[in-house]
Amino acid sequence: SQKIEQNSEALNIQEGKTATLTCNYTNYSPAYLQWYRQDPGRGPVFLLLIRENEKEKRKERLKVTFDTTLKQSLFHITASQPADSATYLCALSLLEVTGGGNKLTFGTGTQLKVEL
Amino acid sequence: DVKVTQSSRYLVKRTGEKVFLECVQDMDHENMFWYRQDPGLGLRLIYFSYDVKMKEKGDIPEGYSVSREKKERFSLILESASTNQTSMYLCASSGESKGLAGVPGELFFGEGSRLTVL
Repeated sequence: SQKIEQNSEALNIQEGKTATLTCNYTNYSPAYLQWYRQDPGRGPVFLLLIRENEKEKRKERLKVTFDTTLKQSLFHITASQPADSATYLCALSLLEVTGGGNKLTFGTGTQLKVEL
Repeated sequence: DVKVTQSSRYLVKRTGEKVFLECVQDMDHENMFWYRQDPGLGLRLIYFSYDVKMKEKGDIPEGYSVSREKKERFSLILESASTNQTSMYLCASSGESKGLAGVPGELFFGEGSRLTVL
C-alpha cells in the first residue's frame, strides 16, 4: 500500500542550528511534493512545493530537496528560531487522471522544537 | 487576505445525531476538500470537490457525505454520528486547474472544527 513516513519523534534543536526533517515514501510516483507547517489547534499553512524534476527549492531560510530515486524529501530550516517550533507535514500529489482536483496525501508530521 | 472559514471551532454531539460542518472560502477556488486529523494518523482525505455539485470520495468516505451547491461552500455531513468520528475536521481549498494539466497548488486550510461525539 502507499505510505508516507515522517519521523514521529519530536526533533529538538538549539536556536541558530539547521533543522532537517525527513519525508520518505513508498509505492508512490509523486509528481509534486509539498511541505506545510501546523501550529497547535490551527490548520496547516503551505510552505513550499517542489516538482519531481526539481532537485532543490529554496525560500528564505527554508530549503527542500526531492530525490525520486531514494523516494525521499528533506526539509531544512537554517538559522532556526524558537518561532520555527511547530509540526511540519509533507504531502504528496499524484496527478489525477480523471476528476481533477489533484488530491494531496499527507504524512503524519514531525514536531520541531527550537530551544534557546 | 485569503480565507477559509469553518462554521464551528468546537462541537459536542451525541451518538446518532446528524452533524453538519460548514466551510466557506472567499477565493473563488474550484477545488475544496474535507480532511480529518487524528493523532498518529495524520490528515486523511474524506471527500473533495472540483466543481459545483461535483464530489469525489477520498480515502475514508464511509459514514460521511458532502454537499456543494455553491462554489464557495462545501459542507460535510455525518448522517448518524458515532464515537469513532470524534476528530479534528479540516476544510481546505485550492485554486489550481483540474485534470492532468493542473498543478496541485497550495491548499488553504480553515482553522478546523473539533468534533466530540459522546
